Amino acid sequence: EVQLVESGGGLVKPGGSLRLSCAASGFTFSSYSMNWVRQAPGKGLEWVSSISSSSSYIYYADSVKGRFTISRDNAKNSLYLQMNSLRAEDTAVYYCARVGDYGSGSYRDYWGQGTLVTVSS
Amino acid sequence: SYVLTQPPSVSVAPGQTARITCGGNNIGSKSVHWYQQKPGQAPVLVVYDDSDRPSGIPERFSGSNSGNTATLTISRVEAGDEADYYCQVWDSSSEVVFGGGTKLTVL
Repeated sequence: EVQLVESGGGLVKPGGSLRLSCAASGFTFSSYSMNWVRQAPGKGLEWVSSISSSSSYIYYADSVKGRFTISRDNAKNSLYLQMNSLRAEDTAVYYCARVGDYGSGSYRDYWGQGTLVTVSS
Repeated sequence: SYVLTQPPSVSVAPGQTARITCGGNNIGSKSVHWYQQKPGQAPVLVVYDDSDRPSGIPERFSGSNSGNTATLTISRVEAGDEADYYCQVWDSSSEVVFGGGTKLTVL
């Protein structure tokens, strides 16, 4: 069974940093691209960042470019999101999601339960 | 950047058919995916690549895509289908794009 478990969320002051982790199990983690997607309270889904299976390709939304860094450790079956210079508008539930590898390969077929990040003084 | 437009809400009676649209410039040339999200839960993929269903998703969920509009159709709607639904595409200029979401209410 595919499982994605996020951790590392919490309350942080504006300008602060936080590192999110996503532990993957039930599939060959090193074969899949992974994403972070966030959802502000009461709002819709917003893509944050993508990383290819071997970390060769990395992409960011304009809203987080230069502040967030995505990475992965295939030996540990883990995905990470280092978040620096946090702003109030970064407050959201952050989801780890696997990118499907069938057909177009542009959909997210499994999602974690999310971890809440709150940026407030 | 590429924009996907969804109606904020759709209402339907149990047993009827719900249609949720997703508008975008020449969206028919892209692969459209749909996610269902119930309150307090993570999104679930219900349709991918316009009209394919992941295993475990009922046949009542179907999708189509042509021109400037993609549509998620839910037949024989049940109370348990009440949720927010999001469309998503990949675009070379914007990477991953989500629609604003549609709240499906079962009357």
